[in-house]
Amino acid sequence: KNEVEQSPQNLTAQEGEFITINCSYSVGISALHWLQQHPGGGIVSLFMLSSGKKKHGRLIATINIQEKHSSLHITASHPRDSAVYICAVNLFNTDKLIFGTGTRLQVFP
Amino acid sequence: DGGITQSPKYLFRKEGQNVTLSCEQNLNHDAMYWYRQDPGQGLRLIYYSQIVNDFQKGDIAEGYSVSREKKESFPLTVTSAQKNPTAFYLCASIEGAHGGSYQPQHFGDGTRLSIL
Repeated sequence: KNEVEQSPQNLTAQEGEFITINCSYSVGISALHWLQQHPGGGIVSLFMLSSGKKKHGRLIATINIQEKHSSLHITASHPRDSAVYICAVNLFNTDKLIFGTGTRLQVFP
Repeated sequence: DGGITQSPKYLFRKEGQNVTLSCEQNLNHDAMYWYRQDPGQGLRLIYYSQIVNDFQKGDIAEGYSVSREKKESFPLTVTSAQKNPTAFYLCASIEGAHGGSYQPQHFGDGTRLSIL
């Protein structure tokens, strides 16, 4: 079993829909990251969380430390949101990142 | 603009050949990382370096080598000992060792390596 599990693996949506991507982890962590990988392969960091909730534009990330679960929400989705979204965690008290396998999102007009 | 530059974008390797992937950053970051990405798998750590002239093996270092002679540069050599080198390789950096303060990693755009 992977230490970081994401669901769903693939997601399709119509433009404007509200999207949720989930991440569960089974190890002790110091921080959790949400990353976005574009079709060309480059990766951008969206959020780093250690507790609570963060919002940036149409993106919202939440984390529940007790339940070892995080969600990434996209409001009013747009075709340009189409990408692979990756959850990664810092193992407790280290720089080491463990990555989920990613969720491929396609948003159609 | 500061960032990480990986080159080349695409690379082809012949049997028995060593190839070197370039990673350069102008962010003045101390720590640099090399990851390998395969379809259906999460990124896996190959090597990392927290300071110049020092580097550590990651989870899948066999068949790879690195150097860190300058702060800005962290090249990865895929040797002929790596029997399954076809993958997408990503370089990343952070400003410094965590010291209790975790930071997001900055990533390059990757190099796709294929076998001829």
